[in-house]
This record gives sequence, C-alpha cells and structure tokens, in this order.
Amino acid sequence: GESVGLHLPTLSVQEGDNSIINCAYSNSASDYFIWYKQESGKGPQFIIDIRSNMDKRQGQRVTVLLNKTVKHLSLQIAATQPGDSAVYFCAESGASGGSYIPTFGRGTSLIVHP
Amino acid sequence: EAQVTQNPRYLITVTGKKLTVTCSQNMNHEYMSWYRQDPGLGLRQIYYSMNVEVTDKGDVPEGYKVSRKEKRNFPLILESPSPNQTSLYFCASSFSLPFPDVTFFGQGTRLTVV
Repeated sequence: GESVGLHLPTLSVQEGDNSIINCAYSNSASDYFIWYKQESGKGPQFIIDIRSNMDKRQGQRVTVLLNKTVKHLSLQIAATQPGDSAVYFCAESGASGGSYIPTFGRGTSLIVHP
Repeated sequence: EAQVTQNPRYLITVTGKKLTVTCSQNMNHEYMSWYRQDPGLGLRQIYYSMNVEVTDKGDVPEGYKVSRKEKRNFPLILESPSPNQTSLYFCASSFSLPFPDVTFFGQGTRLTVV
C-alpha cells in the first residue's frame, strides 16, 4: 500500500511468485489511473493504465484492477523476476478545470529474491 | 527516440549560487512539469506548464522559477539554492490536456546544495 511515513512499504517475493501491489487513491472524481515503475537511479517508466469505465486491464505479465467503490487500485505481476525489483507507484488524474493533472502516490518497493 | 532529456544528471553546488536545470522533450508535448522526489514523500510537483508562455505553481513552488519560451524546453531555475532543496528532480511531459495521457519522465537530476 501507500506510504504514510518516511519509509516506503516493501513487498518481498521469491522469483516466480506472483506479486500484488496496492494503491488507495483519494479523489472520487479521478477517472484515469497509471502504474509506474522506477528502478534505482532512473526516472519513472509507464507500465499500464486504466480508465474508470473499466475494472480490469491486462498487459504483458501485468494486470491492473480498479475498484471505484472503495477507491482502490492494484497491480498484479505474474511470475515475478529479479528485473522487476523497483519502486512501483500509482498516479490518478481527473478533469479539474478542464485539465488532467496527475497526482502520484508515494510508492511501494518490490524486492524479488532469486 | 521519444524522450525527455534533463541536464545535468548530477550537480553539487553551494548555497546561494544560482543554477539552472534544463529539460527538453522531442515529442511535441504541450504539458510539461517539474517534480522533486524525496525519501518517503513521493513525487511532489514544483511547477507545470500547459503550453508556451503558460506556467503555474504546483504543490511546492517556493524557491523555484520556470520558463516556457519554447514548446520543447522547460528549464528549472534556482535563484538562490538552499540545502533544503537537495533532492532528486524530474522533468516530465505529456501530450495534451484535457485528455488524459501517459506522462513521460526524464532520467532525473540529483542536486546537492552544501
């Protein structure tokens, strides 16, 4: 889940396991959501997005689930690999004054053990 | 290759010495923004620009300036840097608002103010 203090939440998994990273968003008017992956020393990279008219979207080894009722987003990574080790964070955006300016979560650190 | 380019990647400076971090994107994006990333706090928006000559404050604008004279460039200016501006900075861009779109990030500039 999202960080509420100085340290990021951490998820440790074994290589080959499935990983689930959660995100609670705050704005019920948000209608576009993105998951980013940030490796050490690099900028965030787009993984997958979902619009509010969907509750599930699948990519390559990744699935995003959206539950608008409880304002919850999750990222599922299948067959997690050591290269998946990174910080993952969600972003939400919704039309505000005619524009979509994203709000980013604080992130979850995923550690994959070989 | 579509990208957001920041320079420099690393910078150590002294308190009060004006500096500029450059940002350039080659995707003809209208929307550009600057973020700082600090441990446990996630990405916090400093300034954003909806288009040429249109800039606005984000969540943490104090101590920073920006300009948008050309569509592709969005420099971040610290007129009188202080140690509390030591951080990891990211420039970002996206195609257009009001429609939601993926935000692309630069590789980051790690700034240390002593």
